[in-house]
Amino acid sequence: AQSVAQPEDQVNVAEGNPLTVKCTYSVSGNPYLFWYVQYPNRGLQFLLKYITGDNLVKGSYGFEAEFNKSQTSFHLKKPSALVSDSALYFCAVRAPSGTYKYIFGTGTRLKVLA
Amino acid sequence: GAGVSQSPSNKVTEKGKDVELRCDPISGHTALYWYRQRLGQGLEFLIYFQGNSAPDKSGLPSDRFSAERTGESVSTLTIQRTQQEDSAVYLCASSRTDNQPQHFGDGTRLSIL
Repeated sequence: AQSVAQPEDQVNVAEGNPLTVKCTYSVSGNPYLFWYVQYPNRGLQFLLKYITGDNLVKGSYGFEAEFNKSQTSFHLKKPSALVSDSALYFCAVRAPSGTYKYIFGTGTRLKVLA
Repeated sequence: GAGVSQSPSNKVTEKGKDVELRCDPISGHTALYWYRQRLGQGLEFLIYFQGNSAPDKSGLPSDRFSAERTGESVSTLTIQRTQQEDSAVYLCASSRTDNQPQHFGDGTRLSIL
């Protein structure tokens, strides 16, 4: 069965510092991996995805994520955090075949401190 | 409209009543998903529609839940004989195909008294 874990409920980082939001997954085959962000009082927005190809994926708002097959991870990163990055971040995974079901993590709340 | 539209935005109803939630996907998006988000939790997959294919209903939690979609148009999620544990935000998303980014609506906040 497919699953995804976001081990940290909350991550605090100072503005200007690099940030990492962790995601690990379990799925048969090569996964489809996504990151979404939920700003306060707004709907979920797509950040980036990995389907195939280069393991380092660049997305919206300066975010990037690296697909690591051996560690089954897809951590979200940004070199320099902004206060406006404060939001709830969700990792999602889907198996490449046999199902259309996406499994979302429980979310990580990112707080960027000025 | 440009985005996914859901209605109503808020629904308060008594336990035991039926409710119907509506989702208008982005035009041209063949894939449509329904999710449930309980307070402080992640998104729970409910059902997936792809064009005229048979839907993936594997996430529906009980036979009180059902959903319909005609072609690539509007979808409705119906919950019969609502229970208090049905209280949640119900999110709809659409995408061009099943492995493309999903565009989410703002959700329907359902409260069962």
